[in-house]
Amino acid sequence: GENVEQHPSTLSVQEGDSAVIKCTYSDSASNYFPWYKQELGKRPQLIIDIRSNVGEKKDQRIAVTLNKTAKHFSLHITETQPEDSAVYFCAARPRGAQKLVFGQGTRLTINP
Amino acid sequence: SAVISQKPSRDICQRGTSLTIQCQVDSQVTMMFWYRQQPGQSLTLIATANQGSEATYESGFVIDKFPISRPNLTFSTLTVSNMSPEDSSIYLCSVVMEGQGVHYGYTFGSGTRLTVV
Repeated sequence: GENVEQHPSTLSVQEGDSAVIKCTYSDSASNYFPWYKQELGKRPQLIIDIRSNVGEKKDQRIAVTLNKTAKHFSLHITETQPEDSAVYFCAARPRGAQKLVFGQGTRLTINP
Repeated sequence: SAVISQKPSRDICQRGTSLTIQCQVDSQVTMMFWYRQQPGQSLTLIATANQGSEATYESGFVIDKFPISRPNLTFSTLTVSNMSPEDSSIYLCSVVMEGQGVHYGYTFGSGTRLTVV
């Protein structure tokens, strides 16, 4: 079955700098890749997603890139702000399935 | 996207007892998903619940321990049976909205924080 690896497990950046989180997946037929932000004590919130027929998607300060050949996708946050501090999870949906398989999570800390 | 109401939000239970968690969705959805999130960990899928059929359980999870009901397209329950301290975790339900070529993403309930003592 699908396996998703996420790196790094923790990331600390200065406010205003960029943050990049990377995920690799094992099932080349996976076709949907969302990213979730989870603040302490809150539910995961979808922040951006990408389908397998698209290489890049951007939404204001957040972007996701997908490399199907290498089977990896990345989350890019530019001009980071203190409110970006949270745990971020990537996920992949195997083709033919409805479920999501999640990465291990990245705790992002933005230092003022 | 769908709005999910999950309850209870938290509970402290005695070992050996059972707790039933409810999720109500404001739209009809084909599938509902139940996840477990242990402290400081990622989300692990317990099972997928389809209306009108038995739930599909992931490896490591069994129906006797986590029975699921799905009586209609807007409601599901997960029961954590014969609880032990190892069951202390956050349990979340999730749904996906898709239709007419549009994908609205997966939405999560607010979670149930379970502590077993």
